[in-house]
Amino acid sequence: QSVLTQPPSASETPGQRVTISCSGSSSNIGSNYIYWYQHLPGTAPKLLIYRNDRRPSGVPDRFSGSKSGTSASLAISGLRSDDEADYYCAAWDDSLSGVVFGGGTKLTVL
Amino acid sequence: EVQLLESGGGLVQPGGSQRLSCTGSAFTFSNYAMNWVRQAPGKGLEWISGIRDSGVNTYYADSVKGRFTVSRDNSKNTLYLQMNSLRAEDTAVYYCAKGTFGYSYGYVEFDFWGQGTLVTVSS
Repeated sequence: QSVLTQPPSASETPGQRVTISCSGSSSNIGSNYIYWYQHLPGTAPKLLIYRNDRRPSGVPDRFSGSKSGTSASLAISGLRSDDEADYYCAAWDDSLSGVVFGGGTKLTVL
Repeated sequence: EVQLLESGGGLVQPGGSQRLSCTGSAFTFSNYAMNWVRQAPGKGLEWISGIRDSGVNTYYADSVKGRFTVSRDNSKNTLYLQMNSLRAEDTAVYYCAKGTFGYSYGYVEFDFWGQGTLVTVSS
């Protein structure tokens, strides 16, 4: 059972918008930044969103992040087939003095 | 181009030990926190350890605390993970990940990752 809770799967058709949620608590999301990583099996994970809503250079603006209280979400608009991947949220947890990841959401582009 | 190269994975018996290494290049290794993240078969990502740029501060997930030790040799641009008392549930691909800072955000904000090394714990 992961400290951060994500839906195990999500799906949408190409060109549409999908949102992935991440729920935590006051010791992690509630008091620290949220991060999002994209992971294609067999490859190295990639930083997608940092410090709640910032995009690293090279990440298209189709990807956006937000946070409210102890929850966060990742939105992907204009879905493409190559967006199919596993998406993870992550945050520092003050109670654990460590990093916690969500269980991951497998995105399928139908 | 920043590169992280892990080594040391392989098959180890339950209760045994293994040491992983991660050598970085094309960046000033001593300026950044470094981390280990693993992925067990069919499971999600799990952060297991982080170490400050200077090596003074280390952090561990509860699942490995007391069994794993992270260290670094900045003169060799190398990060280590000493794994003792290994269990079947430690079977995973182990990634090293570079933080974007020497501490603080550097333990959760990872801009570069290695390709991973597989550790299999089995008799």
